[in-house]
Amino acid sequence: GENVEQHPSTLSVQEGDSAVIKCTYSDSASNYFPWYKQELGKRPQLIIDIRSNVGEKKDQRIAVTLNKTAKHFSLHITETQPEDSAVYFCAAPRDTGANNLFFGTGTRLTVIP
Amino acid sequence: GAVVSQHPSWVICKSGTSVKIECRSLDFQATTMFWYRQFPKQSLMLMATSNEGSKATYEQGVEKDKFLINHASLTLSTLTVTSAHPEDSSFYICSARELAGFRDFTGELFFGEGSRLTVL
Repeated sequence: GENVEQHPSTLSVQEGDSAVIKCTYSDSASNYFPWYKQELGKRPQLIIDIRSNVGEKKDQRIAVTLNKTAKHFSLHITETQPEDSAVYFCAAPRDTGANNLFFGTGTRLTVIP
Repeated sequence: GAVVSQHPSWVICKSGTSVKIECRSLDFQATTMFWYRQFPKQSLMLMATSNEGSKATYEQGVEKDKFLINHASLTLSTLTVTSAHPEDSSFYICSARELAGFRDFTGELFFGEGSRLTVL
């Protein structure tokens, strides 16, 4: 089965700076890597995802990169804003044929105005 | 995107009572739904996979007799915390995908709003 490790657990950045969160996974067969954002007391929401046939995907200020050889993927947020403050979770399929995801431990991002 | 609704959003109960939480897919059918538990400042821990028309699949360490799951229709799954105790206090959240049964995971998971349970 899959195991996902996420770093750092907390991250504080000044408004306007960039933030990078990294996850490593164990199952080389994993082929789908989403990132979820969870604001305090609310539901996680998908912000971006990447499939294993692509090395990078970008959506405005958010980008995800994937290194299949090293088995890690990263979330990049540029020009951070206070509303980016939240907990971010990476995820990967729990195992081959899985219908569900294994979530990383989460990163609490604080953007300081 | 698809909508998953969870009810109640918060509940306070006395120790020893049972609490039922509902998870509904509002605009799609979900043969499979998932129940998670999230302690403060921690990640989403999968408790069980709810399968429409059959028994739920529980993760290791989750007591099936304590956390009863029923998935009676393609749009509704319920989680009942039986004989709740203070240590059961947590944020319970469900999720569902629009399509199930893929060999590889490729679909977005949609989450309910979550239910905060406080057991006194």
